[in-house]
Amino acid sequence: DQQVKQNSPSLSVQEGRISILNCDYTNSMFDYFLWYKKYPAEGPTFLISISSIKDKNEDGRFTVFLNKSAKHLSLHIVPSQPGDSAVYFCAASAPDSWGKLQFGAGTQVVVTP
Amino acid sequence: DAGVTQSPTHLIKTRGQQVTLRCSPKSGHDTVSWYQQALGQGPQFIFQYYEEEERQRGNFPDRFSGHQFPNYSSELNVNALLLGDSALYLCASSGTSGGTNEQFFGPGTRLTVL
Repeated sequence: DQQVKQNSPSLSVQEGRISILNCDYTNSMFDYFLWYKKYPAEGPTFLISISSIKDKNEDGRFTVFLNKSAKHLSLHIVPSQPGDSAVYFCAASAPDSWGKLQFGAGTQVVVTP
Repeated sequence: DAGVTQSPTHLIKTRGQQVTLRCSPKSGHDTVSWYQQALGQGPQFIFQYYEEEERQRGNFPDRFSGHQFPNYSSELNVNALLLGDSALYLCASSGTSGGTNEQFFGPGTRLTVL
């Protein structure tokens, strides 16, 4: 039962433009959401997170938006840089399962010059 | 400050064998979680160890077991290996302070079952 879904397996964006990655979830108990970036042969690296009490969190070029009513979150990267080319995973956790992260399948982002 | 380390990097086993993977958490972290990442999928939670006990478990059979040592390092054991156990096994560590779910991941162990 996939409770976190990333329906776009890949995204290609030009350098300098905005990258928008989407994530949907089905479990209304999820209260904390995270985005991770993964390069080949490395483990996932934490990017940014958001609690369900907020609808936006910003950190430098990265902004995460949460729409609880739609059970949808998105990650915006502005401006996109070649080093942003990686697989991005959305993850979520519920208060009764502290530390058990449920991940989406990931979106491969390619930033072209 | 060393991050999360895992050993070995790669491992090849045959069906029916047993395997042990090892993980050392990031300095200052006391909680270790294990994930299985199959090709083209996101990491799937196996279990989490805290204070040397299994605290949370995902939907994995009893063939998957683990252990946490007093120094917070951890092992993942898989018995009676199946072809479907071929995957990248990720270890993640976190601290009980801070109040966030942020987990730091190691580079993983690539297990191939033939």
